[in-house]
Amino acid sequence: DTAVSQTPKYLVTQMGNDKSIKCEQNLGHDTMYWYKQDSKKFLKIMFSYNNKELIINETVPNRFSPKSPDKAHLNLHINSLELGDSAVYFCASSQDGANSPGTQYFGPGTRLLVL
Amino acid sequence: AQSVTQLDSHVSVSEGTPVLLRCNYSSSYSPSLFWYVQHPNKGLQLLLKYTSAATLVKGINGFEAEFKKSETSFHLTKPSAHMSDAAEYFCVVSVSYSSASKIIFGSGTRLSIRP
Repeated sequence: DTAVSQTPKYLVTQMGNDKSIKCEQNLGHDTMYWYKQDSKKFLKIMFSYNNKELIINETVPNRFSPKSPDKAHLNLHINSLELGDSAVYFCASSQDGANSPGTQYFGPGTRLLVL
Repeated sequence: AQSVTQLDSHVSVSEGTPVLLRCNYSSSYSPSLFWYVQHPNKGLQLLLKYTSAATLVKGINGFEAEFKKSETSFHLTKPSAHMSDAAEYFCVVSVSYSSASKIIFGSGTRLSIRP
């Protein structure tokens, strides 16, 4: 009965490869997010989707492409991986309203290491 | 523009003594403020949130925070630290627009507990 799940938990790959990280939430939330946490623990939002529609797109290289097949899933595809992409990627979901920013529920994270 | 500053990157206290983790925010709008905790190699968990109701907010595990508009602060406190409180703590400011929230994380404060 995991609320927000991510796969894989660990991902080790070579520079230049293409990889995907999957995220699923069973909370019935409308909004999902991707965050990147660097080696200094700094968390930065990358994308936000609401009902399969892109809402927030921070200044992320276009090698990163989120895809939301339905409102319960938000996958992250990364092309041409670079060393600097090594980080922990967190998926989150919330039930946001116009006047009530929702609590975010985070997945366990995917630890990506690019060699 | 919104921002959040966590004034201490590392706080160390003895078990049984009070905890104070400091956070100052900047927001052009009425902010919603959150504290999240991240235990080692885990995802993030909500401790508490302020959304313009009572200025003293009680959270889980005995933590509480007070919203002080005059000081633009939202410091996290706990009367008596427990060894299990050792973790990374993030202060978050959120402003809602459209159907999602603009979310900015502080740089984090690592809390260590001495036996």
